[in-house]
Amino acid sequence: DAGVIQSPRHEVTEMGQEVTLRCKPISGHDYLFWYRQTMMRGLELLIYFNNNVPIDDSGMPEDRFSAKMPNASFSTLKIQPSEPRDSAVYFCASSSNWPPGEIAFFGQGTRLTVV
Amino acid sequence: TQLLEQSPQFLSIQEGENLTVYCNSSSVFSSLQWYRQEPGEGPVLLVTVVTGGEVKKLKRLTFQFGDARKDSSLHITAAQPGDTGLYLCAGLNQAGTALIFGKGTTLSVSS
Repeated sequence: DAGVIQSPRHEVTEMGQEVTLRCKPISGHDYLFWYRQTMMRGLELLIYFNNNVPIDDSGMPEDRFSAKMPNASFSTLKIQPSEPRDSAVYFCASSSNWPPGEIAFFGQGTRLTVV
Repeated sequence: TQLLEQSPQFLSIQEGENLTVYCNSSSVFSSLQWYRQEPGEGPVLLVTVVTGGEVKKLKRLTFQFGDARKDSSLHITAAQPGDTGLYLCAGLNQAGTALIFGKGTTLSVSS
């Protein structure tokens, strides 16, 4: 298996633009997580899905952020409109274990820069 | 609020030295995990400790879970440049559904 695949690896966009980050989880994993990493706050959980259904989105910072999982092999995290403070590395992770978050395989991340 | 505090924040040592990094909380965790993250990559799981007082060894790395399950330590013997990276500890949130992370210890081992 190729592991969790994220695209793009790097994204530079102007403030106000829409940004879409993509994730392909490991095949067979029932849980998918989106995390954001910054120097100040470390790794923060944004949202997670179980069997394509969003379970907990309490970490999503505000309404500008939305996430979808239309099928078991694809998820998106969208920011509209983007702001400079959204600059961070965004990670997708997937898991098949219970508790679901205990063992997670992370993608390589998308480094987002909003100028 | 569950928090995991890691110390030190930064550590720079010479090859061959020993070191210990710490992960502390005021909350009890059912288990704790340690990850290593290299620049430009995602975190990679090293170990999970589950039982209070548990000690696990992974080659030159020794992980310990505190008796009260509120803290953990990672000891590296004879550090090598390949050990360089960000070491993160993580534990399940109270709902048992997702990981919360400490901010990590950045380790630099020079030859």
